[in-house]
Amino acid sequence: QVQLVQSGAEVKKPGASVKVSCKASDYTFTSYGITWVRQAPGQGLEWMGWIDAYNGNTNSAQKFQGRLTMTTDTSTSTAYMELRSLTSDDTAVYYCARRFSVYRNVDPWGQGTLVTVSS
Amino acid sequence: DIQMTQSPSSLSASVGDRVTITCRASQRINNYLNWYQQKPGKAPKLLIYAASSLQSGVPSRFTGSGSGTDFTLTISSLQPEDFATYFCQQSYSIPNTFGQGTKLEIK
Repeated sequence: QVQLVQSGAEVKKPGASVKVSCKASDYTFTSYGITWVRQAPGQGLEWMGWIDAYNGNTNSAQKFQGRLTMTTDTSTSTAYMELRSLTSDDTAVYYCARRFSVYRNVDPWGQGTLVTVSS
Repeated sequence: DIQMTQSPSSLSASVGDRVTITCRASQRINNYLNWYQQKPGKAPKLLIYAASSLQSGVPSRFTGSGSGTDFTLTISSLQPEDFATYFCQQSYSIPNTFGQGTKLEIK
């Protein structure tokens, strides 16, 4: 069945960068987008951005522009999210999810990757 | 950015109850409204897309309605596995913002 499998938990120091991977299986990777969403501990869902896996075009929330990079490797059906200049406010579970083109809903989601930023 | 406001923020109900969660957008979003269910420690799961379309595999006791700025998610007869947090999301414009969530608890 369609599945997204993310990389493991990370611990980073303030000012560092993190790169999370998201490997897709059982669907045509380039026919959909990948959305990235994060969830701080005990908080709600925050939409970060998305990438069109067909052409690599991206769109992100303004608050992340300048320190968020989303890429894909179509040869391995893997998407990547890199966030730079980390602060403690970036401590969260990061999710990838497959994005549909018409109504832009997302399904399924990866299992999540906990990124902890601590000195 | 479009603000999404859910009500209530929390809700206590019993198995078999009918419950309704409301989501209001700060501007018109046509029917670009999705509902997700999240259980503790798990990734969200898509329930409803395009305001009223049931995602494949989701039980028919879940229904969505609305258009424009006001939307509802109704669970017709609560089952034990439905106790979770529910989020609405607008996919009309970037950023595709989420509501703050509604936590559905057992009474």
